[in-house]
Amino acid sequence: NAGVMQNPRHLVRRRGQEARLRCSPMKGHSHVYWYRQLPEEGLKFMVYLQKENIIDESGMPKERFSAEFPKEGPSILRIQQVVRGDSAAYFCASHGQPAYNEQFFGPGTRLTVL
Amino acid sequence: KQEVTQIPAALSVPEGENLVLNCSFTDSAIYNLQWFRQDPGKGLTSLLLIQSSQREQTSGRLNASLDKSSGRSTLYIAASQPGDSATYLCAVGSNAGNMLTFGGGTRLMVKP
Repeated sequence: NAGVMQNPRHLVRRRGQEARLRCSPMKGHSHVYWYRQLPEEGLKFMVYLQKENIIDESGMPKERFSAEFPKEGPSILRIQQVVRGDSAAYFCASHGQPAYNEQFFGPGTRLTVL
Repeated sequence: KQEVTQIPAALSVPEGENLVLNCSFTDSAIYNLQWFRQDPGKGLTSLLLIQSSQREQTSGRLNASLDKSSGRSTLYIAASQPGDSATYLCAVGSNAGNMLTFGGGTRLMVKP
């Protein structure tokens, strides 16, 4: 059973470009979370999604950031018009049935904005 | 708003020592608590999950306890090894949506 997959592992963008980060949850998991780890800071929750639904996006910046988890395919975190302050490691986590809720994390995507 | 604090921020010990990492949280209405390990430049590895109704969990040389009423959890590592060197993160799931609130981590160095 493959773990949580994220790609790309490293992404370099120039200011103003778009960044698309992908996350494939563990097989059978339908709950996906995105977290961000800024340099020298702790991990912060961004958004919680289930298939085709955004459940909680309270941690996501209101502008330039969006997330989706379509019926088919991976979850996508999209950052438009990136700025240097977006440089961070972005982690995706998934879990199965809510009753248990152990979250399993992917290896992360490290975004560098030049 | 849930806040999670980990003490100490960094710890250096000789190989073989038993050690305790501390985690405290401000809102005791938690759903569960997870301890993770993060190696430099890597993702998070789940070590132990404690549900809110449990008081402790054990896995190998690791033992985690939970005291909800006082807002504390400890991670006990027995007979530490150099391979245990990493950052240890405590994270609290606070509601049905279970997004995690993370502490700042304890950076552990075990010297041979």
